Amino acid sequence: QQQVKQSPQSLIVQKGGISIINCAYENTAFDYFPWYQQFPGKGPALLIAIRPDVSEKKEGRFTISFNKSAKQFSLHIMDSQPGDSATYFCAAGSDRGSTLGRLYFGRGTQLTVWP
Amino acid sequence: NAGVTQTPKFQVLKTGQSMTLQCAQDMNHEYMSWYRQDPGMGLRLIHYSVGAGITDQGEVPNGYNVSRSTTEDFPLRLLSAAPSQTSVYFCASSYSFTSGQETQYFGPGTRLLVL
Repeated sequence: QQQVKQSPQSLIVQKGGISIINCAYENTAFDYFPWYQQFPGKGPALLIAIRPDVSEKKEGRFTISFNKSAKQFSLHIMDSQPGDSATYFCAAGSDRGSTLGRLYFGRGTQLTVWP
Repeated sequence: NAGVTQTPKFQVLKTGQSMTLQCAQDMNHEYMSWYRQDPGMGLRLIHYSVGAGITDQGEVPNGYNVSRSTTEDFPLRLLSAAPSQTSVYFCASSYSFTSGQETQYFGPGTRLLVL
């Protein structure tokens, strides 16, 4: 059973537009929700992360929106740039219980930003 | 700091051969993980460790062994390579899973082809 479901699988956005990627999770024990960015031939790197005590976190052009009751969270990229073209992964984890030490990843979204 | 290092970068194996993928980190991180990345499947956890001498299985452990004799090293062993193990393998580490210390740092990956 997939613990974290991510959509869309691919996304094409024009330069300056807003990119939105959505994720949903099942396990209510999760309390850490990061987004990772991966460029071709490289390992993933942390982009931004949120804990469920807040509903939104913003860092520059990147914003996470979190809906605890719906068990959903999303990444918004404002003013998308060609340099944002990459694969984005959402993930979920917890610092306690049976999920301690594990991050569950979505299947990824390949974002292409056209100039 | 070198961060997370992985060797080799590329490897070609014949079915039935065994090999060890090396992973090392110099950040004194307690948590280390191995993932495999396949097209359309995201990052799937193979094995992970929450400290020296402690390892546990992830989502896809079959055909792989790990050990953690030191904090720095977390090798992944393929016992008898199969074509289904053709993938890109990433090692990752984090200080802990508590708030503010949970960022996972990924290595550059090992690309494995099993013929």
